[in-house]
Amino acid sequence: EVQLVESGGGLVQPGGSLRLSCAASAFTFSSYEMNWVRQAPGKGLEWVSYISSSGSTIYYTDSVKGRFTISRDNAKNSLYLQMNSLRAEDTAVYYCARGDSSGFYFDFWGQGTLVTVSS
Amino acid sequence: EIVMTQSPATLSVSPGERATLSCRASQSISSSLGWYQQKPGQAPRLLIYGASTRATGIPARFSGSGSGTEFTLTISSLQSEDFAVYYCQQYNNWPPTWTFGQGTKVEIK
Repeated sequence: EVQLVESGGGLVQPGGSLRLSCAASAFTFSSYEMNWVRQAPGKGLEWVSYISSSGSTIYYTDSVKGRFTISRDNAKNSLYLQMNSLRAEDTAVYYCARGDSSGFYFDFWGQGTLVTVSS
Repeated sequence: EIVMTQSPATLSVSPGERATLSCRASQSISSSLGWYQQKPGQAPRLLIYGASTRATGIPARFSGSGSGTEFTLTISSLQSEDFAVYYCQQYNNWPPTWTFGQGTKVEIK
C-alpha cells in the first residue's frame, strides 16, 4: 500500500526556519512527481510546490518563492521542504502529495504535519 | 490566473438523497478537473480526474461531468460516510500551477 509520512512540523517564531520531510514507501518513488499542498486551520487547500521525478524541474506558488525550497532524495525515497523566513500566514497543515501519471492531479496524500508560526 | 469557484458553500442533504456540487472555472480548462473528498482530520482523497473518470476504488455513486468552465460532481445516493468537504482542482500549463476551489461542505439534513 502506498504510504507517505510527513514529519518535521512544529512551532516556530516568525522569521524562523523549518524543514519538512516526507518518507515514501510501497511505490517507485523515483518515477513520480511530488508536491507539497497546505491547508491553513479551517481553510481550503493550497498547492505550494512541485518537483519532477528527477528533481530537475521545480515550481512554487508565488507566496513562497524565494523562501521555500523543495528537494528530493530518490535514493532515500524522501521529499523535503525547507521553509525559511516563515510568516504567520504560513501556519498550516502541510501535506506531501504524489502526482498521478498525468501530473495534473494528486493521487496519494500523506496525513500531514502541522506548522505553526507564532511568537 | 484561473480561479475556481464552488457552489454552494454548504449543502444539506438527507441520507439516500442525491447531492449535486458545482465548480466553475474563470476560463476554459477543457476537462482538466479533479474532485477530492476530505473528512475531518484526514487528508484529501482523489475521487474524480479528467472531469469524469473515477479514481481507483471510488464507488460508482460518485460521478463527474462537465467541460470548459462548468463542472458537476454528483453523489447519487448519499451514504453516511459521504458527509465531508469536497474540493475541485485544476491544473494550468503556464505558469504551472494547481488551483483548488474553496470547497463545498456536504452535511446531514
